[in-house]
Amino acid sequence: KNEVEQSPQNLTAQEGEFITINCSYSVGISALHWLQQHPGGGIVSLFMLSSGKKKHGRLIATINIQEKHSSLHITASHPRDSAVYICAVRWSGGSNYKLTFGKGTLLTVNP
Amino acid sequence: NAGVTQTPKFRILKIGQSMTLQCAQDMNHNYMYWYRQDPGMGLKLIYYSVGAGITDKGEVPNGYNVSRSTTEDFPLRLELAAPSQTSVYFCASSWAGTEQFFGPGTRLTVL
Repeated sequence: KNEVEQSPQNLTAQEGEFITINCSYSVGISALHWLQQHPGGGIVSLFMLSSGKKKHGRLIATINIQEKHSSLHITASHPRDSAVYICAVRWSGGSNYKLTFGKGTLLTVNP
Repeated sequence: NAGVTQTPKFRILKIGQSMTLQCAQDMNHNYMYWYRQDPGMGLKLIYYSVGAGITDKGEVPNGYNVSRSTTEDFPLRLELAAPSQTSVYFCASSWAGTEQFFGPGTRLTVL
């Protein structure tokens, strides 16, 4: 079964720390998404990538296709970054752009 | 633009009742999706649509039905509600192969 694994499940950091959240997947993909979900809130797409690296503000997403692994980094973390971060993949050869989601990483940034 | 809207935000149903969760998008996206999110689990795809008049089952379609008569609307019908359908439901839309835009979610409890 094609799977998406995220680590860690929970992460607590102090404001200002550099954060890394990891995502591994089992077989080839055509795209990987990172999403953010605030407590009680909706889901927002942060990045979609198929190779290399993307940056938006303090957020950086990288992907290593050969190792089937992606990381989401947050530089100079802030309490407003506290949220669940979700990795999702579109499998190679998959039809109609369906995504498989990881279980999410709950990040808490303390002031 | 309102983006993706969902109604209602909250609903409590009794076992055996039926209801329709409404979803609308104003971005002219051809793809629309219904997901459910259960505690500690990744989002699971219930149904999706690639355009008006075309729908298909996702991973967990049992107990649900959908229709797509227009590009904008994608309602999800629950027939004979069961406690196992207690969940948070998210509707999303996208262009083919691009990021998905999510609605705010509907929290459903079946008692």
